[in-house]
Amino acid sequence: EPEVTQTPSHQVTQMGQEVILRCVPISNHLYFYWYRQILGQKVEFLVSFYNNEISEKSEIFDDQFSVERPDGSNFTLKIRSTKLEDSAMYFCASKLMGYTFGSGTRLTVV
Amino acid sequence: AQSVTQPDIHITVSEGASLELRCNYSYGATPYLFWYVQSPGQGLQLLLKYFSGDTLVQGIKGFEAEFKRSQSSFNLRKPSVHWSDAAEYFCGRGGATNKLIFGTGTLLAVQP
Repeated sequence: EPEVTQTPSHQVTQMGQEVILRCVPISNHLYFYWYRQILGQKVEFLVSFYNNEISEKSEIFDDQFSVERPDGSNFTLKIRSTKLEDSAMYFCASKLMGYTFGSGTRLTVV
Repeated sequence: AQSVTQPDIHITVSEGASLELRCNYSYGATPYLFWYVQSPGQGLQLLLKYFSGDTLVQGIKGFEAEFKRSQSSFNLRKPSVHWSDAAEYFCGRGGATNKLIFGTGTLLAVQP
């Protein structure tokens, strides 16, 4: 069964550093998403991406965040200057009909 | 704004007992409804989904859910719970082009 692949599975970074989280969505899917889950909390929507542009973003997705689909297969989330409160599990998802999630990247900001 | 409510934060059932996890969604056009399960430290696994048609949906691991438009509900059920079902369960609402919105989750504990 096709999968959404996320790398790395765990990343530790210093506060103020830039991080890039990578995702390979399912190849024939059209919609792409990033979600985040702070430890013990609900899964929160960050951003959706369709037709090579952002279609919707949440209040969380401020100027520190950006997304790209640089080569038609990868889908990346960049956090420009990480803060302690950015520590969370970040999930990528892609959608044709149903939503398929990757296994997540655990980001720890120290 | 569209929303999803899971009224039960934590449920404990005995192994072999039946299970029902509640989910209500805010009114709107015919929703796309989902249930996902998350084991500790793991990703989100799709249990089942409803788009249209038969309101009783069968999923993996013996789970089923029933869409009730009159009650704006999509409750998840399992007739006999196994210890391996202990996890967190998230109900979600999506749409043809919309993002998926999750409820706050229900943490299921299974007693031997």
